[in-house]
Amino acid sequence: EVQLVESGGGLVQPGGSLRLSCAASGFTFSSYWMSWVRQAPGKGLEWVANIKQDGSEKYYVDSVKGRFTISRDNAKNSLYLQMNSLRAEDTAVYYCARDRALTGGDYWGQGTLVTVSS
Amino acid sequence: DIQMTQSPSTLSASVGDRVTITCRASQSISSWLAWYQQKPGKAPKLLIYKASSLESGVPSRFSGSGSGTEFTLTISSLQPDDFATYYCQQYNSYSLRAFGQGTKVEIK
Repeated sequence: EVQLVESGGGLVQPGGSLRLSCAASGFTFSSYWMSWVRQAPGKGLEWVANIKQDGSEKYYVDSVKGRFTISRDNAKNSLYLQMNSLRAEDTAVYYCARDRALTGGDYWGQGTLVTVSS
Repeated sequence: DIQMTQSPSTLSASVGDRVTITCRASQSISSWLAWYQQKPGKAPKLLIYKASSLESGVPSRFSGSGSGTEFTLTISSLQPDDFATYYCQQYNSYSLRAFGQGTKVEIK
């Protein structure tokens, strides 16, 4: 059974940093692109970033470029999102998702809440 | 950048109704469009991929159509479990996986 479990969310002050993790199981993690998608309270889904199987390609939405870094450790079946210079508008539930060329996001984690507030 | 526009934003319908949601892309995305269902407090669930392919386990009352820039999600006979928010997403390129703004299907 495919499982994605996010962790690392919490309350952080504006300008602070946070590192999210996503533990994957039930599939060959190293064979798939992976994505982070967020959802601000009461708002829609926003794609944040994704990363190729070997980490050689990474893409970001404009609003997080230069502040967020996506990475992965295939030996640990884990996906990460390093978030720096956090702003109030980064407050959201962050989901990791398996990202396939054929289907888009076919499996999603349960999400982890990031709150940026003083 | 490709922009995705869904309509309507909110839809009020009754059990048994036929429901159609539209998604428009600002430029052609061929058939690289997915539809997701999301219920409050839950992760999105993939319903349709490649514009018209039904994900395994999804009821056949859900269907998708379209190509290029115009796409539709149809629920042939709305069931109580279908009241949720629906999102389209283009995945024409790995460099940008934009979502539509969502359509909330409410009980009439």
